[in-house]
Amino acid sequence: NAGVMQNPRHLVRRRGQEARLRCSPMKGHSHVYWYRQLPEEGLKFMVYLQKENIIDESGMPKERFSAEFPKEGPSILRIQQVVRGDSAAYFCASAAGYQETQYFGPGTRLLVL
Amino acid sequence: KQEVTQIPAALSVPEGENLVLNCSFTDSAIYNLQWFRQDPGKGLTSLLLIQSSQREQTSGRLNASLDKSSGRSTLYIAASQPGDSATYLCAVNGLDTGFQKLVFGTGTRLLVSP
Repeated sequence: NAGVMQNPRHLVRRRGQEARLRCSPMKGHSHVYWYRQLPEEGLKFMVYLQKENIIDESGMPKERFSAEFPKEGPSILRIQQVVRGDSAAYFCASAAGYQETQYFGPGTRLLVL
Repeated sequence: KQEVTQIPAALSVPEGENLVLNCSFTDSAIYNLQWFRQDPGKGLTSLLLIQSSQREQTSGRLNASLDKSSGRSTLYIAASQPGDSATYLCAVNGLDTGFQKLVFGTGTRLLVSP
């Protein structure tokens, strides 16, 4: 019974490149949350998705960031034209349903040079 | 807007001590509160989840209490061990977020020395 999987675990990008972060939820979970942890700060909610739907993206920056959770395959958090301020740990959590306990993945640590 | 504060920001104790970590939140309309452990460079491990109708939860040497009306929770760790060294995060799932997202504190960094 694998937990939440995230890949890559570490990602290095140069300014202006694109970053794609993947999250495979726990088996049977159809709800995915993305959080960002900036250096020396707490985790901040970014987006909440269900299969093929964005439910709440109130924590997403208005530009360059997008997320999807297709019918098949992992959830993807995409950051276009990365800047140094995007360097952070990005965590994905999954849940079996609305208001159910969220289980966290190991995170992807993005470093923008 | 819900805000979560954790005190102290850092704590260093010798092995064997009992200790208390504090968490406070500004909006008492919460669905549940959760304590996590985060090891350096790792993900989050859920330790205890307290529903809003509950007063406390226990797991092994850990005990978490919740006083919703005053907006406070404490995590009590008995007989601390070096393996307890980590950052402890408190998070609430509240009415203002539509019960859909966790609001985290900035954590307490614990170091237990042998």
